[in-house]
Amino acid sequence: DQQVKQNSPSLSVQEGRISILNCDYTNSMFDYFLWYKKYPAEGPTFLISISSIKDKNEDGRFTVFLNKSAKHLSLHIVPSQPGDSAVYFCAVKNNAGNMLTFGGGTRLMVKP
Amino acid sequence: KAGVTQTPRYLIKTRGQQVTLSCSPISGHRSVSWYQQTPGQGLQFLFEYFSETQRNKGNFPGRFSGRQFSNSRSEMNVSTLELGDSALYLCASRPSSLYEQFFGPGTRLTVL
Repeated sequence: DQQVKQNSPSLSVQEGRISILNCDYTNSMFDYFLWYKKYPAEGPTFLISISSIKDKNEDGRFTVFLNKSAKHLSLHIVPSQPGDSAVYFCAVKNNAGNMLTFGGGTRLMVKP
Repeated sequence: KAGVTQTPRYLIKTRGQQVTLSCSPISGHRSVSWYQQTPGQGLQFLFEYFSETQRNKGNFPGRFSGRQFSNSRSEMNVSTLELGDSALYLCASRPSSLYEQFFGPGTRLTVL
């Protein structure tokens, strides 16, 4: 039973345009949400996070939106750059502990 | 600050053997978590240690164990290796005041 789903395994975007990555979760006990970027043969790199008491958090080109009623999380990257090409994972934290549950990842390809 | 370091980076073992992986967290981080990444199951939580105590454990058999030392360095051990244990093993550390986890580069374990 997947508690965190990233339904798009891949996404292709033109350089300079917006990339929107989506994540759905099932458990209302999740209280903290994170996005990580991963290059091959490297560990995930933390990008941005949001608490369940907020609905938006922005950091430079990256914005995370949280829709609690829909149990939906999204990451917007504007403008997209070729260096953003990587696999992006959403991760959620349960309010009962600090372990993270990850989605399956979305491979983003930004074309020059 | 130096990032999370993991040793070794690559390891080849045969079925039935045991293996020990090592992780040094970011200086000042007292929480260390371990994750397994496989193509089929994605990123899955193994366990978390804080101040030498296991705080949380994921849904893995008892062959997977870990420990944390007084300097916050952590080791994980897998006994009686199976082919399905071939994976990228990731260590992450976290400061006590934050939920964000910072990952090391991982140890790629291949079981033949």
